[in-house]
Amino acid sequence: DIVMTQSPDSLAVSLGERATINCKSSQSVLYTYNNKNYLAWYQQKPGQPPRLLIYWASTREPGVPDRFSGSGSGTDFTLTISSLQAEDVAVYYCHQYYITPRTFGQGTKLEIK
Amino acid sequence: EVQLVESGGGLVQPGGSLRLSCAASGFIFSNYSMNWVRQAPGKGLEWLSYIRSTSSSIYYADSVKGRFTISRDNAKNSLYLQMNSLRAEDTAVYYCARDSYGDCPDYWGQGTLVTVSS
Repeated sequence: DIVMTQSPDSLAVSLGERATINCKSSQSVLYTYNNKNYLAWYQQKPGQPPRLLIYWASTREPGVPDRFSGSGSGTDFTLTISSLQAEDVAVYYCHQYYITPRTFGQGTKLEIK
Repeated sequence: EVQLVESGGGLVQPGGSLRLSCAASGFIFSNYSMNWVRQAPGKGLEWLSYIRSTSSSIYYADSVKGRFTISRDNAKNSLYLQMNSLRAEDTAVYYCARDSYGDCPDYWGQGTLVTVSS
């Protein structure tokens, strides 16, 4: 199984500042046939289902604010929130859908400093 | 509007069975692969199972293989999860989720709570 490891486990950032969450996979999730990384990022607020933010590692889902961006390839990925807003307080998960069993990172809790 | 509505959760004794349903609307259900994902109280997300649009491919997590069965009825726009031999560690909110064009889950239901306890 591919193990997804996020860092840090929790993060406190001031409003308007940059937030960066890292995700490392135990093996590459890059499919060389189409040069796509099978890596997604989700945001989950309390009592709500996850919301898809980013897929193919860097493609923003329609409707997601452009302050959210994804980067990385192979085994190392980053979710960046360029200017933290109050409504961004949530738990963020990375997710590999390269092979089954699909797996999620353990989650990163983002709070306001 | 895409909607996924899970049902069938509840309290069940260890060793018991439950069948979860997910009613889909707002999109052509038969065109999309679907998943079940669960979240134990206060814990992270755990992918459980996947079924292709035509039911031609089905996959399970090791934690539920042999106990859970995913199925779908495209005529009824419905996804199912038959859960047998339930254990306390199966206690969780169970979500159904549609795979997107990007091949990962995009729309999720609100979830249904399954509690396994005597």
